[in-house]
Amino acid sequence: EAGVVQSPRYKIIEKKQPVAFWCNPISGHNTLYWYLQNLGQGPELLIRYENEEAVDDSQLPKDRFSAERLKGVDSTLKIQPAELGDSAVYLCASSLRDSDEQFFGPGTRLTVL
Amino acid sequence: GQNIDQPTEMTATEGAIVQINCTYQTSGFNGLFWYQQHAGEAPTFLSYNVLDGLEEKGRFSSFLSRSKGYSYLLLKELQMKDSASYLCALGGATNKLIFGTGTLLAVQP
Repeated sequence: EAGVVQSPRYKIIEKKQPVAFWCNPISGHNTLYWYLQNLGQGPELLIRYENEEAVDDSQLPKDRFSAERLKGVDSTLKIQPAELGDSAVYLCASSLRDSDEQFFGPGTRLTVL
Repeated sequence: GQNIDQPTEMTATEGAIVQINCTYQTSGFNGLFWYQQHAGEAPTFLSYNVLDGLEEKGRFSSFLSRSKGYSYLLLKELQMKDSASYLCALGGATNKLIFGTGTLLAVQP
């Protein structure tokens, strides 16, 4: 069974440019999460979806970050415009609705120059 | 709020046993997770404690004491491939995970 798929794996952009990350969760997983992980830190939740509904986006910087999960499966996280401080790994995870165990994708490593 | 503390780095010898501690302060949580993360890779699930006590899974064991705000991950018969970051995380009522900063374990020959 395929795990959580993310693309791209690496992205280098200049500041003020837009960037988008894509995530395909494990088949059948209703819940999808986007995390940000800085070097030497644990992941921090940005947004959580139950199917297509964003049920927790309290940590998402809404002035520049947006996310969508239109059909309740794949999800896209966008940053516009990117800032130097956005350089980090962006992790996507998924889980079954009533399960505490989350399965993580390999992440997208973003470098903003 | 929630505060989770782990040692930043640890070093251990191949074949030995190592204990990675995690202390926390929180108003409530469902369970405590341990994840392993190799450099440049995704975190992978190791263990989950809901009740106080020891959960054993092969070479890995995890312990929880809610009254003491304390957990540990015990790794036995260390192998070189166990060199990784080990993340302690609290699971909330809404499936939300709050992670500690992680402990970077280096296993030496």
